[in-house]
Amino acid sequence: QVQLQESGPGLVKPSETLSLTCAVSGYSISSGYYWGWIRQPPGKGLEWIGSIYHSGSTYYNPSLKSRVTISVDTSKNQFSLKLSSVTAADTAVYYCARRYSSGYYDYWGQGTLVTVSS
Amino acid sequence: EIVMTQSPATLSVSPGERATLSCRASQSVSSNLAWYQQKPGQAPRLLIYGASTRATGIPARFSGSGSGTEFTLTISSLQSEDFAVYYCQQYNNWLRGTFGQGTKVEIK
Repeated sequence: QVQLQESGPGLVKPSETLSLTCAVSGYSISSGYYWGWIRQPPGKGLEWIGSIYHSGSTYYNPSLKSRVTISVDTSKNQFSLKLSSVTAADTAVYYCARRYSSGYYDYWGQGTLVTVSS
Repeated sequence: EIVMTQSPATLSVSPGERATLSCRASQSVSSNLAWYQQKPGQAPRLLIYGASTRATGIPARFSGSGSGTEFTLTISSLQSEDFAVYYCQQYNNWLRGTFGQGTKVEIK
């Protein structure tokens, strides 16, 4: 059973960098698939942030591209998200998920709320 | 960017009744369409992919149809556990799948 678990600070100050990690169990990232980050502002819908392949190839939402970095650590079987220069608009539940080869997400983490506030 | 529009925003249905949810794409996405269910405080759960294929473990009362720009998710007989928010997602733009804004199915 594939499981994903997000971790990281729940509170980030404006202008700082949000950093989250997604630990994967039950499947080796090195075996394939894309791995993605999706966020959901309180009471709102889902927004794709970006995806990474096990080789390290990345694809970002153009609206966030200048601030986003996603990386993978196959030795730890995890991948990470960094979002720089955050504002209150970046307050959201952040999910990590496995993206099936076609493009839909078949396994999701439980999500972690990140609040941007001073 | 492909824009996904879901309707209605809220659907009020009595238990045991049929629910029909719509999703429209701003341009053709072929059959590259998924549906997710999200309950409060939980992550989305994959229901349907390829517009009409149920994901593993999804009950047969959930069915998807459509292709191109018009898609439908039907819940044939609503159970108490089905009251949730439903999202569609296109992945025809392979690198950047976009989600609809969601339809909330509430108890009438």
